[in-house]
Amino acid sequence: QVQLVQSGAEVKKPGASVKVSCKASGYSFTSYYMHWVRQAPGRGLEWMGLINPLGTIARYSQNFQGRFTTTSDTLATTVYMEMRSLTSDDTAIYYCVRGGVRVIPGALDYWGQGTLVTVSS
Amino acid sequence: DIQMTQSPSSLSAYVGDRVTITCRASEDIRKNLNWYRQSPGRAPKVLINDASNLETGVPPRFSGSGSGTEFTFTISSLQPEDIGTYFCQQYDNLPPTFGGGSKVQIK
Repeated sequence: QVQLVQSGAEVKKPGASVKVSCKASGYSFTSYYMHWVRQAPGRGLEWMGLINPLGTIARYSQNFQGRFTTTSDTLATTVYMEMRSLTSDDTAIYYCVRGGVRVIPGALDYWGQGTLVTVSS
Repeated sequence: DIQMTQSPSSLSAYVGDRVTITCRASEDIRKNLNWYRQSPGRAPKVLINDASNLETGVPPRFSGSGSGTEFTFTISSLQPEDIGTYFCQQYDNLPPTFGGGSKVQIK
């Protein structure tokens, strides 16, 4: 069965960086785009960006002004996200989410369990 | 970015009631809309794609309709396991954007 397993919770100080991993299994990793979506406490869902599994195409939300990068390791069937220059506003649950076979995602059909990133001094 | 406006933001209904949530897009998105439910403490789960297609395994009491800028999500007979927050999401254009959510509770 399709599984997306993310790395564990992180606590970071303002100004630091964080890297979250998302290990995919149970499907053809190279066929589907991966997306990142975050959810601040008590808030809605915010799309951050996407990557094709070969790592040759990435698209990012302008809301992160170059602070966010996603990469892919096909051998490890793992996708990573890195956020830099963290502030308290970045405290959120970060989800990796499987999209479709094209850039435009269609349904986001499988979600990781989420990784809580807490930014606090 | 396309703005998605959901209403109501929360509702409370009895088991067996019919529940309706609406989602309005700031521009024409054709039928490029999905509906998700997020149960407490869990990741969202897609229920409906392309505005009206039920995902495999989703009970038929859930339905969706609409196109263009106006969409409706309906639970025909609310069940206790349906509690959670429901989100619409457009994928007509990048970035995909979500509605603010509709929290459904049982009276």
